[in-house]
Amino acid sequence: NAGVMQNPRHLVRRRGQEARLRCSPMKGHSHVYWYRQLPEEGLKFMVYLQKENIIDESGMPKERFSAEFPKEGPSILRIQQVVRGDSAAYFCASTTGAYEQYFGPGTRLTVT
Amino acid sequence: AQSVTQLDSQVPVFEEAPVELRCNYSSSVSVYLFWYVQYPNQGLQLLLKYLSGSTLVKGINGFEAEFNKSQTSFHLRKPSVHISDTAEYFCAVTGQFYFGTGTSLTVIP
Repeated sequence: NAGVMQNPRHLVRRRGQEARLRCSPMKGHSHVYWYRQLPEEGLKFMVYLQKENIIDESGMPKERFSAEFPKEGPSILRIQQVVRGDSAAYFCASTTGAYEQYFGPGTRLTVT
Repeated sequence: AQSVTQLDSQVPVFEEAPVELRCNYSSSVSVYLFWYVQYPNQGLQLLLKYLSGSTLVKGINGFEAEFNKSQTSFHLRKPSVHISDTAEYFCAVTGQFYFGTGTSLTVIP
């Protein structure tokens, strides 16, 4: 049973470009969480999605950030017009809807 | 509202010595508590969880944690650490899944 997949593992973008981060949950999991991890900080919740539904986006910045989890395909975290402060590790976790989350290896975004 | 506080940002310990990583939480409702470990450049891996029942929870790699409701704590312990235990450890509480800021455990040979 494959674990949670994230790609790319490393992403470099220039300021002003768009970043698209993908997360494929574990088989049978229909819930996805996205977190951001900054250096010297813990994980910060961003958004919680079910297929075709945003359940909780209270941790998402109000501008430039969006997330989706379509009926088919991976969940996408999209950051438009990236700035240096967006440089971080972004993790997704999937779950069946119960309490235990399974994490992907993360995408490390560097904005130059 | 829920929150998690990890009291130590860095914990150095000698190999084969015992270790305790501290975690306190605040919540107005019943909680489920977790400890995760993160090795360099990897995602988080579940060490153990408390959902209900016995307050002493055993996890992988010889770790255990005790849920103390009166002290709102969920400290992680291991009686004898190995070099391979060097990693970042995160305590988390459900709801929205709030994570602590992490404790960096460094095992010194």
